[in-house]
Amino acid sequence: GAVVSQHPSRVICKSGTSVKIECRSLDFQATTMFWYRQFPKKSLMLMATSNEGSKATYEQGVEKDKFLINHASLTLSTLTVTSAHPEDSSFYICSAAGTSGRSTDTQYFGPGTRLTVL
Amino acid sequence: LAKTTQPISMDSYEGQEVNITCSHNNIATNDYITWYQQFPSQGPRFIIQGYKTKVTNEVASLFIPADRKSSTLSLPRVSLSDTAVYYCLVGEGTYKYIFGTGTRLKVLA
Repeated sequence: GAVVSQHPSRVICKSGTSVKIECRSLDFQATTMFWYRQFPKKSLMLMATSNEGSKATYEQGVEKDKFLINHASLTLSTLTVTSAHPEDSSFYICSAAGTSGRSTDTQYFGPGTRLTVL
Repeated sequence: LAKTTQPISMDSYEGQEVNITCSHNNIATNDYITWYQQFPSQGPRFIIQGYKTKVTNEVASLFIPADRKSSTLSLPRVSLSDTAVYYCLVGEGTYKYIFGTGTRLKVLA
């Protein structure tokens, strides 16, 4: 099946620093990638949708200057948390969907990145 | 976007068949129904996807009635390792999903 990777799997940083998380589709090309965040025992919350070569579309309430998303190729999207603060600590998950353009294109999820801001 | 409703939690015993039903009354014509499994601190894992009638793979079956306003995920003979959260999602291909609460399944020995 389709494989999506994320790097790093876990990161601890100091308040005020920026952190970049990579999401890669390893065995398929993804026209669309999604970024979610998840708090303990809660459901996934969609943050933004990114299409290759286009600006990301952010969900209401998500600061686009805080969470920078770049989708430079059909296999790579990055999320940069700028000037991170403790309240940004969360589990960040990406997903990728394929290029066939059919309704059957399925989203495949990465393993997630645990961000802890001290 | 089609909203989904699932039971918040379910308990089962090892070896039993588990059926989790999801309601999606405003499903659109082009929407597919997809189920994911999520373990703590992991990303959701694809289980099964369908459009109508019945779909079966090596791990589960998905039953979808003719009106497509609901679907049922069937897990045969669950084991302790099937303890997880199960999400029902409705959508079209590369369009965004909106996650509901999911169903927290606990399998007991």
